[in-house]
Amino acid sequence: DAEITQSPRHKITETGRQVTLACHQTWNHNNMFWYRQDLGHGLRLIHYSYGVQDTNKGEVSDGYSVSRSNTEDLPLTLESAASSQTSVYFCASSETGSRGYTFGSGTRLTVV
Amino acid sequence: AQTVTQSQPEMSVQEAETVTLSCTYDTSESDYYLFWYKQPPSRQMILVIRQEAYKQQNATENRFSVNFQKAAKSFSLKISDSQLGDAAMYFCASGGATNKLIFGTGTLLAVQP
Repeated sequence: DAEITQSPRHKITETGRQVTLACHQTWNHNNMFWYRQDLGHGLRLIHYSYGVQDTNKGEVSDGYSVSRSNTEDLPLTLESAASSQTSVYFCASSETGSRGYTFGSGTRLTVV
Repeated sequence: AQTVTQSQPEMSVQEAETVTLSCTYDTSESDYYLFWYKQPPSRQMILVIRQEAYKQQNATENRFSVNFQKAAKSFSLKISDSQLGDAAMYFCASGGATNKLIFGTGTLLAVQP
């Protein structure tokens, strides 16, 4: 069965370190998205991609970057982790906007 | 810019009763879609129901139904015969031609036995 997987499920890192969160999907979806979830803010869009070599900034992209070298993967990199980036991160993919997203199970990141 | 507003941070319902979660949205797109997602304690995001804005008929999925009021930009979720497993965070979302979804801040639903 097709799926979308995120790793790791939990991570603790130190301020200033570079961190990469993995997202891998086997749906063959062109559209992939990264969101962060914080209490009182819901899910906010960090970066998104409509296909290989395409990446775009979302509403909260400062301090984050992504790259899309193939259809299956959209890794999210925190260049220099900050305590404000402690959050739950969700990756999602979609075939078309009308069908909604398929979500990964999320990564809880703690920056200490 | 698109916005989605959920004005009820928390709701509570008795088992077997009916509850309605509110959502309002604003969008400049003429062709758009609306969604309700459920997030149980497992953290998994589960699509509950979707509505195409061009359809006047309200979507239903078993015990879940929506009241879509396009002119009022309102998209509420009704859960009938509430079950303990319905306890979760519920997110309303809006999307359109860009394929990006904008989410509300969520409503935490408790189901009392």
